[in-house]
Amino acid sequence: QVQLQESGPGLVKPSQTLSLTCTVSGDSITSDSYYWSWIRQPAGKTLEWIGRISTSGNTKYNPFLQSRVTLSIDTSKKQFSVKLISVTAADSAVYYCARSAAGTANFDYWGQGSLVTVSS
Amino acid sequence: IVLTQSPGTLSLSPGERATLSCRGNQTFSSRYLVWYQQKPGQAPRLLIYGASTRAAGIPDRFSGSGSGADFTLTIDRLEPEDFAVYYCHQYHTSPQTFGQGTRVEVE
Repeated sequence: QVQLQESGPGLVKPSQTLSLTCTVSGDSITSDSYYWSWIRQPAGKTLEWIGRISTSGNTKYNPFLQSRVTLSIDTSKKQFSVKLISVTAADSAVYYCARSAAGTANFDYWGQGSLVTVSS
Repeated sequence: IVLTQSPGTLSLSPGERATLSCRGNQTFSSRYLVWYQQKPGQAPRLLIYGASTRAAGIPDRFSGSGSGADFTLTIDRLEPEDFAVYYCHQYHTSPQTFGQGTRVEVE
């Protein structure tokens, strides 16, 4: 059974960097059959795709966030991560990590979500 | 692509049929249309992909249809656990986007 678990600070100061890690159980993170994505959801709002990374490290980002976001992957640790720089209150949200089959964005496994608040 | 879901809220009773609409502001292949269910405090759950294919473990009372820019999620005979928010999602055009959601609530 695949499980994803987000971890990282729940509070980030404005203008600083938001960093989250997703730890994946099982061996699917070492397979090139999957993509690994980050998606966020501000309170009471819809979902926003942030970006995805493949096992080989190939990335694709939401153009509206591309200048501020970096995804990375460490298959030996079974983890992938997101960094978002220069955060503002608008970046406050529940951040989810999710898996999809390569070539798709059908997110079949999700983490439980990590609430990040941007506030001084 | 902007996805507009309607209605915003659907008030129904268990056993009734729910019909949820998702309309894009441009046409795209149905291959790239996905539906998710989200309950309070939980991550979304994959229901339908490719507009009409049920994901693993999804009951057959859930069905999807549509093409072009108009897509529909139908839930036959609502069960108590089906009351939730439903999102459509497209990944045909970058950035992939989600609709604003339809809440299915108990009347």
